[in-house]
Amino acid sequence: AQKITQTQPGMFVQEKEAVTLDCTYDTSDPSYGLFWYKQPSSGEMIFLIYQGSYDQQNATEGRYSLNFQKARKSANLVISASQLGDSAMYFCAMIYNQGGKLIFGQGTELSVKP
Amino acid sequence: DTEVTQTPKHLVMGMTNKKSLKCEQHMGHRAMYWYKQKAKKPPELMFVYSYEKLSINESVPSRFSPECPNSSLLNLHLHALQPEDSALYLCASSQIRGASPDGYTFGSGTRLTVV
Repeated sequence: AQKITQTQPGMFVQEKEAVTLDCTYDTSDPSYGLFWYKQPSSGEMIFLIYQGSYDQQNATEGRYSLNFQKARKSANLVISASQLGDSAMYFCAMIYNQGGKLIFGQGTELSVKP
Repeated sequence: DTEVTQTPKHLVMGMTNKKSLKCEQHMGHRAMYWYKQKAKKPPELMFVYSYEKLSINESVPSRFSPECPNSSLLNLHLHALQPEDSALYLCASSQIRGASPDGYTFGSGTRLTVV
């Protein structure tokens, strides 16, 4: 069965430092996509970054990068130069097959300290 | 226009009320979704519409009734809800092909409180 695991319920990071949020996944489907979303207290689910299972290079979007290790089935999010506005809940998610379900991890609550 | 719009943003309703949540997208996506999210928890899928037809119902109680009048619009009709149904309701849309960088686009959600 498909599964996403985020093992860090909460994390603290000092402003301007980098932080890595862990995500591991399990699927037997060769075609899948991995997403990271940010959810501030306002509730909106903000798309950050995407990695396809056949992508050769790690995805990057500004201060966000995804450390994709396919053999280890991990897709960690790296946020460089943390900002106070990065404080939020972060969800790793996976989609597989055609137009299907988005499976979420339990989330990591990130707090950035000034 | 690259967003999913949900209305209302907040809703308080009694257990005997009937209300509806609305979701609209103009990105040409042919799959639309309703998720329910409790505080500090991941979203849980409720319904999936593909090409305006209900394709997945995750065993949701009948007091929740989805409707997809056209490819841009998704409604969630609420009737005789319970206090435990209080949550954030998120709508999303996506391309049918699934794993794609176009991905899912979420609306900003409706915070529902049942009193």
